Amino acid sequence: DAGVIQSPRHEVTEMGQEVTLRCKPISGHNSLFWYRQTMMRGLELLIYFNNNVPIDDSGMPEDRFSAKMPNASFSTLKIQPSEPRDSAVYFCASSSTSGGVDTQYFGPGTRLTVL
Amino acid sequence: AQSVAQPEDQVNVAEGNPLTVKCTYSVSGNPYLFWYVQYPNRGLQFLLKYITGDNLVKGSYGFEAEFNKSQTSFHLKKPSALVSDSALYFCAVRDYYSGNTPLVFGKGTRLSVIA
Repeated sequence: DAGVIQSPRHEVTEMGQEVTLRCKPISGHNSLFWYRQTMMRGLELLIYFNNNVPIDDSGMPEDRFSAKMPNASFSTLKIQPSEPRDSAVYFCASSSTSGGVDTQYFGPGTRLTVL
Repeated sequence: AQSVAQPEDQVNVAEGNPLTVKCTYSVSGNPYLFWYVQYPNRGLQFLLKYITGDNLVKGSYGFEAEFNKSQTSFHLKKPSALVSDSALYFCAVRDYYSGNTPLVFGKGTRLSVIA
């Protein structure tokens, strides 16, 4: 199994530009989570999906952030327009609710730098 | 509400000595408890979990954790630390009755093993 796949691994952009982060969950997993990690705030849950449906987006910082999951094998997190304070590492994680307690498996992350 | 506390931001231990990384939790029902490790520039990696049964849980890389219901703790331990164990460790919890919801993570403890 390839694990959770995220792209790009690194993104450097200028303030005001649109940024799109991508995630492919583990095949067969039906829950997907987007997290943000910074030194100041630690690991924050932004949004999560069950069966491709957004369940809780209360962690999304503001309307500049949006996330979609058009099918079971793909999700995007978009920031438009980006700001320097969005600089962080963004993680995607997936889990399966079948067969018992769901362990979340994380991708390698996307390191975003907004100049 | 569910919560996790990792009281130590940093733990230093000499190579070959036993290590303990502390975690306490709060849930309204029975807890599901997890430990993850994050190496530099990597995603969070699952180490072990407690669901039910034996209070001593064994995981990857020689790590184990002991569930203590009366003290609401789930400390991570290893009998003999390696320099390669130096990393950031996260404890996480979910309430048995909360259904398919995300894990709640602690702020992390940085472990430094000194040769």
